[in-house]
Amino acid sequence: EPEVTQTPSHQVTQMGQEVILRCVPISNHLYFYWYRQILGQKVEFLVSFYNNEISEKSEIFDDQFSVERPDGSNFTLKIRSTKLEDSAMYFCASTPRLSYEQYFGPGTRLTVT
Amino acid sequence: AQSVTQPDIHITVSEGASLELRCNYSYGATPYLFWYVQSPGQGLQLLLKYFSGDTLVQGIKGFEAEFKRSQSSFNLRKPSVHWSDAAEYFCAVGSNNNDMRFGAGTRLTVKP
Repeated sequence: EPEVTQTPSHQVTQMGQEVILRCVPISNHLYFYWYRQILGQKVEFLVSFYNNEISEKSEIFDDQFSVERPDGSNFTLKIRSTKLEDSAMYFCASTPRLSYEQYFGPGTRLTVT
Repeated sequence: AQSVTQPDIHITVSEGASLELRCNYSYGATPYLFWYVQSPGQGLQLLLKYFSGDTLVQGIKGFEAEFKRSQSSFNLRKPSVHWSDAAEYFCAVGSNNNDMRFGAGTRLTVKP
């Protein structure tokens, strides 16, 4: 069964550094999402992406964040200058169409020191 | 935008007892509703979903949930809890644009 994959599983970075989190959505899916979950808290929507542009973003998704689909398979989340409070689990999700179930990846744990 | 409330932060039940986890949502249109389970350090596993049709939906691991539009609720139930059900449970509501909003979660502890 096709799955969403994410790399790396755990990323440690120093404050102020740039990080890129990578996701490979399911191959025939068209809509892509990033969520984050700070330890012990709820899952929060960051951004949705369709047709090579952002469809919607939350207030969390400020200018430090960007997303890209650099090729036909990867979907990336870049944090330009990480802060301590960016430490969280980041989940990627994809879906073939609107009004449908999203399929989540296993997550990348980002630790900012 | 849609929102979800899970009133119970932590619930403890005895193994073999029944379980109900509460979820209330706020959304102006027909909601798409989901329950996910998360074990410590793990990702999100979909238990069940409601899009339309029968308001009582069956999921994996013996879980079910009932959509009640009049109460804006989508409570999760299981008739007999197993020790392996101990985890964090998240209710989520999706919009027509598919961005999902999650509740704060309910942590389930199962007593032997």
